Amino acid sequence: GAVVSQHPSWVICKSGTSVKIECRSLDFQATTMFWYRQFPKQSLMLMATSNEGSKATYEQGVEKDKFLINHASLTLSTLTVTSAHPEDSSFYICSARDLDGIKDGYTFGSGTRLTVV
Amino acid sequence: GQNIDQPTEMTATEGAIVQINCTYQTSGFNGLFWYQQHAGEAPTFLSYNVLDGLEEKGRFSSFLSRSKGYSYLLLKELQMKDSASYLCAVHYNTDKLIFGTGTRLQVFP
Repeated sequence: GAVVSQHPSWVICKSGTSVKIECRSLDFQATTMFWYRQFPKQSLMLMATSNEGSKATYEQGVEKDKFLINHASLTLSTLTVTSAHPEDSSFYICSARDLDGIKDGYTFGSGTRLTVV
Repeated sequence: GQNIDQPTEMTATEGAIVQINCTYQTSGFNGLFWYQQHAGEAPTFLSYNVLDGLEEKGRFSSFLSRSKGYSYLLLKELQMKDSASYLCAVHYNTDKLIFGTGTRLQVFP
């Protein structure tokens, strides 16, 4: 089945620095990828839709200058958390759509736990 | 907004049956997913409903009523390993997958 690889699985960074998270579709092409954030004991919140070759579409309340998304190829999307602060500490998960398999057409990465100290 | 509501927490006994409900806004609805998620892990696909009715898959079944904006996940013969969060997610016509509030299920011996 479709596989999405997400790296790193965890990262600790200092306040004010930037962190890049990668999401790759390994055996299919993904024109659209999605980025979610999940705080402890809460559900997944959609942050943005990443579109290959064009600008990402951000959900209301998500700062596009803080969460930079780049989708330069059909298999790679990156999320960069710029000038990270402790309140950005969260679990970030990407998802890609495999259009050949609608029933389980949304394949998720394994997630990245970001801790900002 | 696209409020997708679930009970926050549920508890049940090993071997029992539990039903987790999900209500959602029907405008732009394309389909509904149920996922299981253990803490710190990615969601795992359980079921997908696009038409009204019940879909059974082993110990897990999922029901959908499109007109009522309502779904439930039924878990039978509960096992300890079923303790997890269960997430309802709706696929809307914008291609987005929006998650519900999630239900934390705890199974006791």
